[in-house]
Amino acid sequence: GAVVSQHPSRVICKSGTSVKIECRSLDFQATTMFWYRQFPKQSLMLMATSNEGSKATYEQGVEKDKFLINHASLTLSTLTVTSAHPEDSSFYICSARHDNEKLFFGSGTQLSVL
Amino acid sequence: QKEVEQDPGPLSVPEGAIVSLNCTYSNSAFQYFMWYRQYSRKGPELLMYTYSSGNKEDGRFTAQVDKSSKYISLFIRDSQPSDSATYLCAMISGTSYGKLTFGQGTILTVHP
Repeated sequence: GAVVSQHPSRVICKSGTSVKIECRSLDFQATTMFWYRQFPKQSLMLMATSNEGSKATYEQGVEKDKFLINHASLTLSTLTVTSAHPEDSSFYICSARHDNEKLFFGSGTQLSVL
Repeated sequence: QKEVEQDPGPLSVPEGAIVSLNCTYSNSAFQYFMWYRQYSRKGPELLMYTYSSGNKEDGRFTAQVDKSSKYISLFIRDSQPSDSATYLCAMISGTSYGKLTFGQGTILTVHP
């Protein structure tokens, strides 16, 4: 299957700082990428849809100014958690849409805000 | 009512057993059906992808789709301890532009 690389895999930061997470499709171009959040023992919750060259579409209840998404190229999307707080601690996962409707996921980023 | 219903389990089976995982859905617009396997603190891994009713086999895995009943299944033959993970069903409609609708996930443990 296609490969989606996500970095970092784990990050610990102080409250009030910003954290950037990268998602790259390594062997295909992805016009659409998705960002999810997952709490322990729960399914993935879609946060936003990232389209190359345009503004991201956020799901209801997701703060646009807090979770900044940039999709500057066909192989890279970034999620920046701004002014992170302990309640933002979670497992964040990206996925990239292949041209045949299949979605491939990154390995996830565990964010811990102290 | 959720669009996709999946029994969260947990499901515990002995090594070598046949595992049956199931999801039901209510949105008849769903056209593409996927099963993902997720290990703890890892991203989901695509196992099976189907878009038509019937069976699709890949090694020890068989995906079954019954669109008339809005029911999909994943069968795992000769289950192994390494199959212990959370299994997520997921679906896409033709107009969702790739947005997946997930089931809750079933936690599976295969014990030696």
